[in-house]
Amino acid sequence: EVQLLESGGDLVQPGGSLRLSCAASGFSFSSNAMSWVRQAPGKGLDWVSGISGSGGSTNYADSVKGRFTISRDNSKSTLYLQMHSLRVEDTAIYYCAKGTGYNSGTLDYWGQGTLVTVSS
Amino acid sequence: AIQMTQSPSSLSASVGDRVTITCRASQGIRNDLGWYQQKPGKAPKLLVYGASSLQSGVPSRFSGSGSGTDFTLTITSLQPEDFATYYCLQDYSYPLTFGGGTKVEIK
Repeated sequence: EVQLLESGGDLVQPGGSLRLSCAASGFSFSSNAMSWVRQAPGKGLDWVSGISGSGGSTNYADSVKGRFTISRDNSKSTLYLQMHSLRVEDTAIYYCAKGTGYNSGTLDYWGQGTLVTVSS
Repeated sequence: AIQMTQSPSSLSASVGDRVTITCRASQGIRNDLGWYQQKPGKAPKLLVYGASSLQSGVPSRFSGSGSGTDFTLTITSLQPEDFATYYCLQDYSYPLTFGGGTKVEIK
């Protein structure tokens, strides 16, 4: 059974940093692209970042480029999102999601999310 | 970035109704589009990928169609468990982009 478990969400002040983790199990982690998707309170879904199975290719939404870094440790089956220079508008539930293939953007499994609150 | 325009933003329907939701891409995306269902407090769930392929375990009353710039999600005979918010997602090119969502409510 595929499982994705996010952690690391917290209350942080504007300008602060946070690292999210997503522990994966139930599939061959290195064979699948992974993405982070966020949802601000009462709003729609917003794709944040994606990474290929090997980690050699990464992509970002314009709104987070230069501030967020996606990475993965295939030996630990874990996905990360390092977030710097956080803004109030980054407040959201952050979901990790599994791609169906090595560099696929079709997201077939999702975690339950971790809440990031940026506020003073 | 490719913009996805989804309509309507909300609709009211009754159990048994046929419901149609559309997404329009700002440029051609072949058939690289998925549809997702999200219920309150829950993570999104993949319903359709490749514009028209039904994800395993999804009821056959859901169907997707379209290619290029115009896409449709159809729910035939709406069931009580289908009241939710639906999103399209283009995976033709990065950055991936979602439509704004369609909330399907009970009439």
